Amino acid sequence: EAGVTQFPSHSVIEKGQTVTLRCDPISGHDNLYWYRRVMGKEIKFLLHFVKESKQDESGMPNNRFLAERTGGTYSTLKVQPAELEDSGVYFCASSQDWTGPYEQYFGPGTRLTVT
Amino acid sequence: ILNVEQSPQSLHVQEGDSTNFTCSFPSSNFYALHWYRWETAKSPEALFVMTLNGDEKKKGRISATLNTKEGYSYLYIKGSQPEDSATYLCASKRGGTSYGKLTFGQGTILTVHP
Repeated sequence: EAGVTQFPSHSVIEKGQTVTLRCDPISGHDNLYWYRRVMGKEIKFLLHFVKESKQDESGMPNNRFLAERTGGTYSTLKVQPAELEDSGVYFCASSQDWTGPYEQYFGPGTRLTVT
Repeated sequence: ILNVEQSPQSLHVQEGDSTNFTCSFPSSNFYALHWYRWETAKSPEALFVMTLNGDEKKKGRISATLNTKEGYSYLYIKGSQPEDSATYLCASKRGGTSYGKLTFGQGTILTVHP
């Protein structure tokens, strides 16, 4: 069974540019999550999709971040325009369900550097 | 306690030593406690999901305990090996509208020297 995949693995962009990150969850997992780790700090929740609907987007930092999951399969996270403080590792995770003690399976992350 | 806190921040041990780390989390509205093992540039690997007070789980040389009343969990590694070197993360899940959200600690960085 393929795990959670993320693309690209690394991205270096200049302040003010746009970047789109992609996540492909484990097949059959309706729940998809985005998290972010800024250097030196803990991994922080951004948002949670159930199929194509946003269940919880309380962690999205501001309106420069837009997450979509059209068709309930893969998801994209767009940052526009990027700022220096957006640098970090963006993780995606997926799970079978969200109301039980189900494991969240993580991808390897996309390392974003904004210069 | 309002956040998830892990201690120590880092740990250096010799091969063969046994070691343990602590995760403290909010005990109110507790739902589940997750442990992950993470090597940089790889996917965090799920170790345990624990829900019941007094729960103990084991996977090979790694085990974990849970105390939901006082809000802490211990992770133990018996006979550490160099391949155990990684960052160990714990994350709590609370009940209510944010069921899916995991709140992470900063992690414990373990280095096992041959």
